[in-house]
Amino acid sequence: AQSVTQLDSHVSVSEGTPVLLRCNYSSSYSPSLFWYVQHPNKGLQLLLKYTSAATLVKGINGFEAEFKKSETSFHLTKPSAHMSDAAEYFCVVSDRGTGRRALTFGSGTRLQVQP
Amino acid sequence: GAVVSQHPSWVICKSGTSVKIECRSLDFQATTMFWYRQFPKQSLMLMATSNEGSKATYEQGVEKDKFLINHASLTLSTLTVTSAHPEDSSFYICSAPGRGQETQYFGPGTRLLVL
Repeated sequence: AQSVTQLDSHVSVSEGTPVLLRCNYSSSYSPSLFWYVQHPNKGLQLLLKYTSAATLVKGINGFEAEFKKSETSFHLTKPSAHMSDAAEYFCVVSDRGTGRRALTFGSGTRLQVQP
Repeated sequence: GAVVSQHPSWVICKSGTSVKIECRSLDFQATTMFWYRQFPKQSLMLMATSNEGSKATYEQGVEKDKFLINHASLTLSTLTVTSAHPEDSSFYICSAPGRGQETQYFGPGTRLLVL
């Protein structure tokens, strides 16, 4: 079975400061890991994905995440927050080894960016 | 990139009526589509997997007779909420795996309010 734990339900940062959204996963097989962002009243947008290539993954809008197998973590970071980054962020896992392509979502982290 | 559309984007209905939600892959074919439900301030929960040409696969706890899924073609899946009740009010989101199978493309969601 696969699962995802997002350690913070809410994160607040000041504009221009770094962002860290934490995610730990559990997977029976080699996982694919994703970060999606959901802005209010909008659909989910893929930020980045890890699928067994480079462990440091760069995504859109300056976000990146590092896959650490020893820590079973896939934390999302950004060097400098922008007001437009305020949204809900989901860490997501897909177990490729099971052949099941449905995604398991974490509980979400709401990022608030203060001016 | 691949685009998935949903229709309608929002719907209000009376208790006891049925509501049909469409999910279309606009520029690619999808033999499989996924239906998720998201309650306010909660994460997405997988409801069922829609399979073109065969029966849908439902997650534990999801009533298949209440949430009817029909994968009519390689680009269309429909979810019908039968005899809707206020507790069915939620945000329903569909997704379809892309060509590489690792990435899911999400529809913009359908907000259902049952009065």
